[in-house]
Amino acid sequence: EVQLVESGGGLVQPGGSLRLSCAASEFYFSLSTMSWVRQAPGKGLEWVAMMKEDGSDEYYVDSVKGRFTISRDNPKNSLYLQMNSLGVEDSAVYYCASGGQKYFGNWGQGTLVTVSS
Amino acid sequence: QSVLTQPPSVSAAPGQKVTISCSGSSSNIGINYVSWYQHLPGTAPKLLIYENDKRPSGIPDRFSGSKSGTSATLGITGLQTGDEADYYCAARDSSLSAWLFGGGTKLTVL
Repeated sequence: EVQLVESGGGLVQPGGSLRLSCAASEFYFSLSTMSWVRQAPGKGLEWVAMMKEDGSDEYYVDSVKGRFTISRDNPKNSLYLQMNSLGVEDSAVYYCASGGQKYFGNWGQGTLVTVSS
Repeated sequence: QSVLTQPPSVSAAPGQKVTISCSGSSSNIGINYVSWYQHLPGTAPKLLIYENDKRPSGIPDRFSGSKSGTSATLGITGLQTGDEADYYCAARDSSLSAWLFGGGTKLTVL
């Protein structure tokens, strides 16, 4: 069974940084486009970023461009999201998801990021 | 940036059928696949429908998807109390080079 486990969330002050990680198991991580999707409190799902299987291309929602960076380490079956210049509007549960070419096939349980002073 | 429009809520009695609509545009639903997700707060979202009308293994045939033009529909028959959740449509937008999710629809099984 595919497992995606996020970590790295927590409380951070506005303007601060966090690095999220997603550990993948039991599937062909190196052959999969991977994505981050978030859900702010009381809001719906919002796609954040995507990276192709070989790391050749990356895409972001406009609101995080220039602040967030998605990366991956295929030998370690890991996906990352470096988040800088965080604002209160970035507070959300962040989900790691496999896919992004045609659909998001598997999802993790999420990690909570709270941006507050 | 969400430009996929879903009704905020739908409701029906157990055993009945419900449909959830998702309206987009020519740059997203009109030319790209639609997928649907079931989400219970605090849990991992689950893929229900992919490529407009296909069900992953393990998803019962009570769930169905369709697409016509710039709109898509999720159908759920034989409603069960366990189906109470938030449902989201999603599609890539080729103009934005981004993924879009609908605002979500809360299903209540009365």
